[in-house]
Amino acid sequence: QAQLQASGPGLVMPSETLSLTCTVSGGSIGSYYWSWIRQPPGKGLEWIGYIYYSGSTNSNPSLKSRVTISLDTSKNQFSLRLRSVTAADTAVYYCARVVAAAGRLYFDYWGQGTLVTVSS
Amino acid sequence: QTVVTQEPSFSVSPGGTVTLTCGLSSGSVSTSYYPSWYQQTPGQAPRTLIYSTNTRSSGVPDRFSGSILGNKAALTITGAQADDECDYYCVLYMGSGIWVFGGGTKVTVV
Repeated sequence: QAQLQASGPGLVMPSETLSLTCTVSGGSIGSYYWSWIRQPPGKGLEWIGYIYYSGSTNSNPSLKSRVTISLDTSKNQFSLRLRSVTAADTAVYYCARVVAAAGRLYFDYWGQGTLVTVSS
Repeated sequence: QTVVTQEPSFSVSPGGTVTLTCGLSSGSVSTSYYPSWYQQTPGQAPRTLIYSTNTRSSGVPDRFSGSILGNKAALTITGAQADDECDYYCVLYMGSGIWVFGGGTKVTVV
């Protein structure tokens, strides 16, 4: 079964760029969609965006102008960059695999999440 | 922007039944939204419970069931247990590669 591990700096300065990587093990990154989801402290989940193994992407309209999601198939990794961060971007960031086939569309495997704090 | 609505909280007695719902600020939820449900305990990543409206994920007890009730998706817990006390989130696929999560429901078993 797939395992996902998000990693990256736990502290980012305001106005700078948040960069996270999700490493996928236990299976190939091919043939799936891969997504980022975040959760501010004490609040609910927010979908950020996805990338398909072909490289196509989409993101939450509320974040679209600041989000870049990329893929490195050779390393079985996908990454998130979120520009111009503010304190409102402080959250636990999760990576997740998306099943999108045969009438199914859902997040099946989740990483453990990594807390990113935006603060000077 | 479309808002996915969930009850903020629910209480259920041990052994009781509770139905959580997942609606839209405008319109009705149907199977075309591929509603899925996730359970989250504090400090942990979400766990997939139900997908495609009513299919239980592997290993999920059959006391969890999904359905469409009226104009909303629903998650029913039958025979609630103490370790069902946590947060539950639904997510809807809006089409065009967009997902929207509900605000979550905190379930208390008392």
